[in-house]
Amino acid sequence: QKEVEQNSGPLSVPEGAIASLNCTYSDRVSQSFFWYRQYSGKSPELIMSIYSNGDKEDGRFTAQLNKASQYVSLLIRDSQPSDSATYLCAVISSGNTGKLIFGQGTTLQVKP
Amino acid sequence: DAGITQSPRHKVTETGTPVTLRCHQTENHRYMYWYRQDPGHGLRLIHYSYGVKDTDKGEVSDGYSVSRSKTEDFLLTLESATSSQTSVYFCAISEFGGSNEKLFFGSGTQLSVL
Repeated sequence: QKEVEQNSGPLSVPEGAIASLNCTYSDRVSQSFFWYRQYSGKSPELIMSIYSNGDKEDGRFTAQLNKASQYVSLLIRDSQPSDSATYLCAVISSGNTGKLIFGQGTTLQVKP
Repeated sequence: DAGITQSPRHKVTETGTPVTLRCHQTENHRYMYWYRQDPGHGLRLIHYSYGVKDTDKGEVSDGYSVSRSKTEDFLLTLESATSSQTSVYFCAISEFGGSNEKLFFGSGTQLSVL
């Protein structure tokens, strides 16, 4: 089992819809969770971080964390074609490195 | 890209040759990282540094070495390149490390080993 798992997609949504991106993790003691966005051919950029159970909102983005279910999600409201990118979930692992472990990413396509 | 420069941006080399990738930062951040990105694997940590001359291994460190003689520079060396090391390599920096580890990435180096 991978430490951080995401559905690679592509996830296709129409413009204006809500895009829901999901991530599960295996390390029960993980405390810090991040979402990075990566446009094709570009480097990842941090868009959200979340550390406690519940929802965290930032503009059109909402991160949701459920530690009991070991589940993190990212909701994008009013999706725009400019949101089309790969979204990487990352978790601080208490394992051998104690460093960020990334999922393989979910590709989102927002169709006009 | 948050004051991070990777060089070269693209490199093609032959199997068995040594290769060095350079990461230079102007942010004076303590932590620096090297990741590789491959289809289906996301980003995987190769090595990281938590200060000058202080480095440690990541999850895919075999075949790679690193050096950090100055705060601003972090070098990744492939001692004898293999085709399995064909990848996109990203350098990243972090001010604090630990549980608040927000990374800023460089533009990446596309390495092809033939």
